[in-house]
Amino acid sequence: QVQLQESGPGLVKPSETLSLTCSVSGGSVSNYYWSWIRRPAGKGLEWIGRIYSSGNTNYNPSLKSRVTMSVDMSKNQISLKLRSVTAADTAVYYCARGEDIRKFDYWGQGTLVTVSS
Amino acid sequence: EFVLTQSPGTLSLSPGERATLSCRASQSVSNSYLAWYQQKPGQAPRLLIYGASSRATGIPDRFSGSGSGTDFTLTISRLEPEDFAVYFCQQYGSSPPYIFGQGTKLEIK
Repeated sequence: QVQLQESGPGLVKPSETLSLTCSVSGGSVSNYYWSWIRRPAGKGLEWIGRIYSSGNTNYNPSLKSRVTMSVDMSKNQISLKLRSVTAADTAVYYCARGEDIRKFDYWGQGTLVTVSS
Repeated sequence: EFVLTQSPGTLSLSPGERATLSCRASQSVSNSYLAWYQQKPGQAPRLLIYGASSRATGIPDRFSGSGSGTDFTLTISRLEPEDFAVYFCQQYGSSPPYIFGQGTKLEIK
């Protein structure tokens, strides 16, 4: 059974960089699309970006200038970096797998990141 | 701006009843690109339906999806206790490529 687990600091200071890792077990990161998605408190889900196992990326235009995603095949992990965070970036962050670009067939449970000084 | 609007916001039903959840798009959506998910508190979302009407692996046949264009429906034919959760729709399209509905909470009456 494929499982995704997000990890990283739960508290980040304004203007700093949010860094999260998604660890994949029960399957390989190879040949899949990997997305990061977030849900701010009281709001709907927002797609942040996508990386294919080859390293090709697509980012949400609203976040593109601040986002970097990468894949570590040796560790079976995907990472997210979001620079210059503000309180508006406080959210539950999810990683999700797509066997094709249309949908997400596996998700992590999510991790809450709070931006506060 | 592309928007997916789900209704109702909350649906109160009893086990054994039929649930009908709506997802309306502000612009036409290709059937191939509409999916439904279930999420329970503290759990990862689970893919239920993709391509508007295809059940994902392991999803019971009491879950069905239908619709086209701008109006899509998720139907649960006979509610089981474990079906009470939040359901949200998602479309794949232009930019940004993924848009989600705000969700419908299905609660026990």
